[in-house]
Amino acid sequence: AQRVTQPEKLLSVFKGAPVELKCNYSYSGSPELFWYVQYSRQRLQLLLRHISRESIKGFTADLNKGETSFHLKKPFAQEEDSAMYYCALTGGATNKLIFGTGTLLAVQP
Amino acid sequence: GAGVSQSPSNKVTEKGKDVELRCDPISGHTALYWYRQRLGQGLEFLIYFQGNSAPDKSGLPSDRFSAERTGESVSTLTIQRTQQEDSAVYLCASSLTGKTYGYTFGSGTRLTVV
Repeated sequence: AQRVTQPEKLLSVFKGAPVELKCNYSYSGSPELFWYVQYSRQRLQLLLRHISRESIKGFTADLNKGETSFHLKKPFAQEEDSAMYYCALTGGATNKLIFGTGTLLAVQP
Repeated sequence: GAGVSQSPSNKVTEKGKDVELRCDPISGHTALYWYRQRLGQGLEFLIYFQGNSAPDKSGLPSDRFSAERTGESVSTLTIQRTQQEDSAVYLCASSLTGKTYGYTFGSGTRLTVV
């Protein structure tokens, strides 16, 4: 079965510290992985996709098929990074995204 | 429109009543999705519409839930005989091609069943 696991409900770091938001997935084929972000009082929005291999707002994520992980990283956290982050996957014939339960990132000044 | 619009933004209803939630996708977006987010939980897929194809209803939790979409425009999610466990934020999203290059989400409808 397709499943996305985000083990941390809350991650609290200080400004300038490195950040790693963990995401593990279960999927038998070749999935597409995504990170979505929801800032306070804003809509859920796409942050980045593994297929594009891009860095958005200083965040990167590498798909590790051996470990079935897609952790989100940023070397130096900023206060404006505080938000809810969701990892999601899709694959095969389906076009629906399967979301994890989300991690709340709190960046302290 | 400029974005995905959902109405109402908040709905309080009595247990046993029916409710209708509306979603206006971005013009030209052929795919439309409904998700449910209960407090403290992730987004739960409900239903997916793609053009004129038969919808993927595999996520609807019970036969009290149904959804319609007129062509490639407005969609309504109907919950009959609401129960307290239906309380959640209902999110709608649309995308251009049906491929998950990235959904555009609406701001959601917060449903509270009392």
